[in-house]
Amino acid sequence: EAGVVQSPRYKIIEKKQPVAFWCNPISGHNTLYWYLQNLGQGPELLIRYENEEAVDDSQLPKDRFSAERLKGVDSTLKIQPAELGDSAVYLCASSLGVSGVEVTDEQFFGPGTRLTVL
Amino acid sequence: DQQVKQNSPSLSVQEGRISILNCDYTNSMFDYFLWYKKYPAEGPTFLISISSIKDKNEDGRFTVFLNKSAKHLSLHIVPSQPGDSAVYFCAAGGVGGNLIFGKGTKLSVKP
Repeated sequence: EAGVVQSPRYKIIEKKQPVAFWCNPISGHNTLYWYLQNLGQGPELLIRYENEEAVDDSQLPKDRFSAERLKGVDSTLKIQPAELGDSAVYLCASSLGVSGVEVTDEQFFGPGTRLTVL
Repeated sequence: DQQVKQNSPSLSVQEGRISILNCDYTNSMFDYFLWYKKYPAEGPTFLISISSIKDKNEDGRFTVFLNKSAKHLSLHIVPSQPGDSAVYFCAAGGVGGNLIFGKGTKLSVKP
């Protein structure tokens, strides 16, 4: 079974330029997550989708970041314009969307996109 | 303020010995906890989890212990192998909620 696919793997841009990341989740996974991981830190949630609906975007800096998940399958995350502080790894994850006290909704991560803003 | 803390940024152990990775949390509303393992240039991969109604979960060489009164969990790897060398993230979540990750602990297992 194919895992979570992300592209590009690496991206170098100059500040103030736009950039976009793409994610294709595991087939059948209803929930999709975008995370930001700075060096030496754990992943931090940016946005969570249940199918095509963004159910939690409270941590997404909406002045420059946007995301979409058309048709509830793959997703794109965009930054416009990029700033120096946006240099980080952007991780996409997906899960079935089932959770409860006895059941953890295991998240499967893609390899990430390493963004460098010069 | 960090809700999930991994206070040891790194840990070095000898092959065959036990590795113990620790994690503390502050939010008593968390009701499940997970450990993820991450190799360089790869995304984190799920390792083991535990719900708050249990105090131990075991899977092969990996055991997670949960002490709710102390808001502390630990991951034990016995015996440690060189292939276990990676960054280990502790994560916590609530029902229907999002995961909160610690900063990670880099484990080095020396042959």
